[in-house]
Amino acid sequence: DAGVTQSPTHLIKTRGQQVTLRCSPKSGHDTVSWYQQALGQGPQFIFQYYEEEERQRGNFPDRFSGHQFPNYSSELNVNALLLGDSALYLCASSLELGGSEQYFGPGTRLTVT
Amino acid sequence: LAKTTQPISMDSYEGQEVNITCSHNNIATNDYITWYQQFPSQGPRFIIQGYKTKVTNEVASLFIPADRKSSTLSLPRVSLSDTAVYYCLVGDGGTGFQKLVFGTGTRLLVSP
Repeated sequence: DAGVTQSPTHLIKTRGQQVTLRCSPKSGHDTVSWYQQALGQGPQFIFQYYEEEERQRGNFPDRFSGHQFPNYSSELNVNALLLGDSALYLCASSLELGGSEQYFGPGTRLTVT
Repeated sequence: LAKTTQPISMDSYEGQEVNITCSHNNIATNDYITWYQQFPSQGPRFIIQGYKTKVTNEVASLFIPADRKSSTLSLPRVSLSDTAVYYCLVGDGGTGFQKLVFGTGTRLLVSP
């Protein structure tokens, strides 16, 4: 039973560029959330997707957008990258009706230079 | 969502019991208390969740007093591999946990 997977593992981009991160949820899970974790900080909620729609959103600008596909996998897109976007991006999956436990992937380390 | 307060760091030795206390003075009636563990360069991992009194699983115990304004995560006989950051989260069982709100957590260092 595969857990949450994310790709790529690491990524280096230049300021102003665009990036797409990918996530496959744990088998059987239908809800995907994305978090940004800066060095030394706790993860910060970006948004959550269910039934291919954004259900909740944290305090992040519109440069951050996402998508969920029919197979429940998800993408996080960030446009016009800033140096401050350098962080570990975590994907978490859960069941809509399965309670509060979320399963996190290993993350994608994004470095913006 | 209720704000939580935890110690920034704790030190322990192998074989000792570690208790990490979390303060959540504004916890709501519907709120549950959940703890996550995070190792460097990994995503957080669910440890335990409770509403009141005591909950125990194969990894830890969670103690919640009657007023529910605080909670204590207890790790019995820690090992070096328990060195990690531990996060206390509070939210209701429905919408509250669909948007997990992490603080800065408690960095636990276990030494030989």
